[in-house]
Amino acid sequence: DAGVTQSPTHLIKTRGQQVTLRCSPKSGHDTVSWYQQALGQGPQFIFQYYEEEERQRGNFPDRFSGHQFPNYSSELNVNALLLGDSALYLCASSRFFSPYEQYFGPGTRLTVT
Amino acid sequence: AQKVTQAQTEISVVEKEDVTLDCVYETRDTTYYLFWYKQPPSGELVFLIRRNSFDEQNEISGRYSWNFQKSTSSFNFTITASQVVDSAVYFCALSEASPGSARQLTFGSGTQLTVLP
Repeated sequence: DAGVTQSPTHLIKTRGQQVTLRCSPKSGHDTVSWYQQALGQGPQFIFQYYEEEERQRGNFPDRFSGHQFPNYSSELNVNALLLGDSALYLCASSRFFSPYEQYFGPGTRLTVT
Repeated sequence: AQKVTQAQTEISVVEKEDVTLDCVYETRDTTYYLFWYKQPPSGELVFLIRRNSFDEQNEISGRYSWNFQKSTSSFNFTITASQVVDSAVYFCALSEASPGSARQLTFGSGTQLTVLP
């Protein structure tokens, strides 16, 4: 039973560029949440997707957008990258009606130069 | 708004010592869940425990134990007879659970635990 997978593992981008991160949820899960974890801090909630719609959103600008596909996988897109976007991006999957069992992926380390 | 505070930024102990990680939370919800996660250097968050706000029983799992006290809004985590492999960053988190609540995880800033041999 595959857990949550994320790609790529690491990514280096330049300020102003755009980036797409990918997440495949654990088998049987239909909900994907994204978190940003800056160095030395706890993860912060970006948004959550269920039934291909954004259901909840944290305090992040519109430069952060996402998508969920019919197979429940998800993408996180960040436009006009800033140095401050450098962080570990974590994906968590769950079942919508059991939201308190969230399983996290290994994360994507994004560095913006 | 919900908030989680982990006042201990870093703790260092010698192997076999007991260590307690503190967590204090704030929420207006009467129904909520509390969590502890472990984050080793690899970065992946490893789930350790979930408690709901109606269950104040303390829990023990091997060398790990958790003390939930609603009266002080605390959910502390104790590792008994610590081992080098326990070295990691530990996060406490909260999720509100009332109908219509946000339901996302709010994390504390984490405690870096270093266990020295």
